[in-house]
Amino acid sequence: EVRLVESGGGLVQPGGSLRLSCVVSGFIFSDYYVDWLRRAPGKGLEWIGRSRNRARGYSTNYAASVKGRFTVSRDDSRNSLYLQMNNLKTEDSAMYYCARTDINIFKDFDFWGQGTLVTVS
Amino acid sequence: QSVLTQPPSASGTPGQRVIISCSGSSSNIGAQGVNWYQHLPGTAPKLLIYHNDQRPSGVPDRFSASKSGTSASLAISGLRSEDETDYYCAVWDGNVGGFLFGGGTKLTVL
Repeated sequence: EVRLVESGGGLVQPGGSLRLSCVVSGFIFSDYYVDWLRRAPGKGLEWIGRSRNRARGYSTNYAASVKGRFTVSRDDSRNSLYLQMNNLKTEDSAMYYCARTDINIFKDFDFWGQGTLVTVS
Repeated sequence: QSVLTQPPSASGTPGQRVIISCSGSSSNIGAQGVNWYQHLPGTAPKLLIYHNDQRPSGVPDRFSASKSGTSASLAISGLRSEDETDYYCAVWDGNVGGFLFGGGTKLTVL
């Protein structure tokens, strides 16, 4: 069974930092792209950043809204994805999700975690 | 304001067919596969359609989608009360170098 479980959310002051984790199971983590996404209260889904797989050199991409402040990283030996968030702003308050992408069949975000809540206040 | 444009709301009665549109540009919908997601706040979003018209296993065939040029659409037939939630289109944008989501469409089953 494919599972993604996020953790690390909480309350942080503006300008502060937080590190989110996503532990996965049920698939070969190193074969997949993994992404972070979020949904703020009263707003829609927003993509934040991507970590490609080992075959693609673990390259990353970021949304303009977080570039330079957020960093996506992964540790395949721990089946874990991370999101380091620095210089947090009130508008970063949201439920944060990690999701898997099977790039071989262009299946973006086919499995998601339940999310971890970040409040910047 | 999203680069991908969806109607903010849609509605239908049980059993009806509803279509949700998603309008983009040549750098996103016109060049890449479109995905559709269903999201009830407080739960994990769910992939409904990937690569324009492909349905993952477990998604009912009441859900279908298509793409033409720089626009895409999601059709839900045989509308059911449990379909009442938010729907999003999403696609990679080559100019932006990232994924874009539509603003979301809130579907109400009357």
